[in-house]
Amino acid sequence: NAGVTQTPKFQVLKTGQSMTLQCAQDMNHNSMYWYRQDPGMGLRLIYYSASEGTTDKGEVPNGYNVSRLNKREFSLRLESAAPSQTSVYFCASRNRGLNTEAFFGQGTRLTVV
Amino acid sequence: QQQVKQSPQSLIVQKGGISIINCAYENTAFDYFPWYQQFPGKGPALLIAIRPDVSEKKEGRFTISFNKSAKQFSLHIMDSQPGDSATYFCAAHFLLKTSYDKVIFGPGTSLSVIP
Repeated sequence: NAGVTQTPKFQVLKTGQSMTLQCAQDMNHNSMYWYRQDPGMGLRLIYYSASEGTTDKGEVPNGYNVSRLNKREFSLRLESAAPSQTSVYFCASRNRGLNTEAFFGQGTRLTVV
Repeated sequence: QQQVKQSPQSLIVQKGGISIINCAYENTAFDYFPWYQQFPGKGPALLIAIRPDVSEKKEGRFTISFNKSAKQFSLHIMDSQPGDSATYFCAAHFLLKTSYDKVIFGPGTSLSVIP
């Protein structure tokens, strides 16, 4: 069972460069999420998608864009990376309903220099 | 109000002791309160969860206590073991509401269980 797969696992960017973080889930989940994790700040929601074709801003959306390409895939794009975006990024997915556990990927450690 | 507060930020417990982590929420419409456990280099994983119509839920050494009137819930880890050393996040969200699908996490508690 692959679950939630994120690529890449590690990335170093120069300030101003762009990149896309990829996320795919094979559990047929409706909802997908992007979080960033910083020391002492916990998991902060960047963007989420409640269903295919819809996306909404979370707590810290500035500097990011997302695409829900299909039900399986939810990508996060940094158009012009800044050092403040150095973080560990997690993608998650879940289904609304009684069995509502959120499943997380292994994370992408991004450093912007 | 979407915030979930969590304390303490870090916790050191001796092996065999009880670890207690507390959380508080503001939005009374939340109807599901999970706890996630995260080991270094891994993504968080569900540990245990509770719905607000239940005051306590126990799974092995892990217990959630829920106080709906105070809008607080806590995680108790009995007989804490070194393997429990991890970061713990409380969270809150809706089970079914589609117009507000966010899962909101607390800032996390770093637990160290020393032998």
